[in-house]
Amino acid sequence: DSGVTQTPKHLITATGQRVTLRCSPRSGDLSVYWYQQSLDQGLQFLIQYYNGEERAKGNILERFSAQQFPDLHSELNLSSLELGDSALYFCASSVGPAGGVNEQFFGPGTRLTVL
Amino acid sequence: AQKITQTQPGMFVQEKEAVTLDCTYDTSDPSYGLFWYKQPSSGEMIFLIYQGSYDQQNATEGRYSLNFQKARKSANLVISASQLGDSAMYFCAMSHPGGRRALTFGSGTRLQVQP
Repeated sequence: DSGVTQTPKHLITATGQRVTLRCSPRSGDLSVYWYQQSLDQGLQFLIQYYNGEERAKGNILERFSAQQFPDLHSELNLSSLELGDSALYFCASSVGPAGGVNEQFFGPGTRLTVL
Repeated sequence: AQKITQTQPGMFVQEKEAVTLDCTYDTSDPSYGLFWYKQPSSGEMIFLIYQGSYDQQNATEGRYSLNFQKARKSANLVISASQLGDSAMYFCAMSHPGGRRALTFGSGTRLQVQP
């Protein structure tokens, strides 16, 4: 158990809908990262938050948005869903930007299926 | 640009044998970190081992060791005494300090341990 929690574990929805994925980082970790894993694109970085502020953006679509709340949990919002958005969405956390590179610990993921 | 290459889509190994999973990377930054993650069929991403670019010694964690050859830009994972539970996808990843801490992943290697 990495200490990172994600809900829900599975999500099935229809095209055009909007969903929210939730992540709670490990105790003490200030950085949260969101990644998408799909068969055709592999593992891709979407967005990073540190202590409530956006720190870096990757290949995140404009239809997707995220935020990190004062209690450090984070939510990833996916809207106007398309079939191609079906993927495993991971949240990862790390201590934060202080010092050098930090290990990232992953949650169990949310498997999104868009029908 | 940062890139991770894993050239072995699949590998087989006999139980109790050692196996090496290849990873090469490309970055122009002198400071970076290299990671290996394991993804079993259940889907979670499990952190295995970390190597910093300035580390003088190769990293080891139990049965896992990282064969770090900086001049060749390679960071191969060695698993000693393979167990059936080692059957999984293995991902090599890279991160940088500062604003580029997000992980860049390779395409992965599927390892199957045979009894």
